[in-house]
Amino acid sequence: GESVGLHLPTLSVQEGDNSIINCAYSNSASDYFIWYKQESGKGPQFIIDIRSNMDKRQGQRVTVLLNKTVKHLSLQIAATQPGDSAFFFCAESYGGSNYKLTFGKGTLLTVNP
Amino acid sequence: DGGITQSPKYLFRKEGQNVTLSCEQNLNHDAMYWYRQDPGQGLRLIYYSQIVNDFQKGDIAEGYSVSREKKESFPLTVTSAQKNPTAFYLCASSSTGQNSPLHFGNGTRLTVT
Repeated sequence: GESVGLHLPTLSVQEGDNSIINCAYSNSASDYFIWYKQESGKGPQFIIDIRSNMDKRQGQRVTVLLNKTVKHLSLQIAATQPGDSAFFFCAESYGGSNYKLTFGKGTLLTVNP
Repeated sequence: DGGITQSPKYLFRKEGQNVTLSCEQNLNHDAMYWYRQDPGQGLRLIYYSQIVNDFQKGDIAEGYSVSREKKESFPLTVTSAQKNPTAFYLCASSSTGQNSPLHFGNGTRLTVT
């Protein structure tokens, strides 16, 4: 998983498995959290977001879980496919302004066929 | 299709030369941003602009300059004063509403030798 730390985590899974990517955020005042997916040589794409008044939100094949007690965010991808292979990172913000976003270092997900 | 276009995709410069990276959006967004992405680090904000003819320094503005003469365009100049300019540069835009999602371009990889 990912942390606001020193290394670039990697996660390797088999096609069809569920993937869980983790993010430890730093600011207890953060009230909005986002997951991005970035394919090689491309810009990040929004996957899913969650506000601090929720602890779970589901999208298409993705679920974000928020644990404010331990300042932890996770992204779950169901039935992972080779096309899901990418760099994933989280972002946190407070007050609603994009210029206050703090981005995590990211996790490289590799899906093996 | 609406989107953000960054050009060029790859840029090579000699040390001591200024270089300008282009960013154009047709999403009618008021806000635009420049980020730098380095391996093992989260995105870092260089400059942002919330309205035409106005811009603000981000966390790592030293050695960079921007202009915002048109709503659609937010060029970034990497000056010779930037000590470590080789990086992947990402431009983004958003509306100015609370927690409005960022839309990213596909980046410019700048290599300075």
